[in-house]
Amino acid sequence: DAGITQSPRHKVTETGTPVTLRCHQTENHRYMYWYRQDPGHGLRLIHYSYGVKDTDKGEVSDGYSVSRSKTEDFLLTLESATSSQTSVYFCAISDRYREGYEQYFGPGTRLTVT
Amino acid sequence: SQKIEQNSEALNIQEGKTATLTCNYTNYSPAYLQWYRQDPGRGPVFLLLIRENEKEKRKERLKVTFDTTLKQSLFHITASQPADSATYLCALDITLHPYSSASKIIFGSGTRLSIRP
Repeated sequence: DAGITQSPRHKVTETGTPVTLRCHQTENHRYMYWYRQDPGHGLRLIHYSYGVKDTDKGEVSDGYSVSRSKTEDFLLTLESATSSQTSVYFCAISDRYREGYEQYFGPGTRLTVT
Repeated sequence: SQKIEQNSEALNIQEGKTATLTCNYTNYSPAYLQWYRQDPGRGPVFLLLIRENEKEKRKERLKVTFDTTLKQSLFHITASQPADSATYLCALDITLHPYSSASKIIFGSGTRLSIRP
């Protein structure tokens, strides 16, 4: 998985609790992304980062926040989890200045909010 | 509204035949179109990229075409094998200024391909 790890891999939490998912890369890529994947919706971009402390919203950012204090780590926080945030979350990285700008994905985190 | 559609949710074909998957989009002008493979329980894996000024790209048994007039890409797997069974995702890179911001890649919902022996 191209030097990308996600933790935890599985989590069950209760509605209203805060949750933080971590993405860690060893590739020194500048760009990092958080997606969620749901049946019938495919992958949808939540937030992305184009450098340390530089982040921006994706198409489904409501209820999520992110932080990137160093190149290798990108954190996704659900401030107060809701059942609609039950999903599989993928982190991805890319190196814009390489040919093609393809994204490399982590193994995913399955989050269940009860 | 902007949309990406992968026409078949699922496709079943016989081993050895050519699998053809379709990706259509509206209201985008992508600089690139990408195809990914995703196996159950795993993250997507990049397969191929084609640029807006390219008509066709090949890699081993894979071939991708890109028609910006029709706003369509076709993804072909020739001499298909059961190991090719997976979900295939089409993705558009809609970056307008490639050297000033991150690329934003928009994904289709995928086509689940099953190759029967």
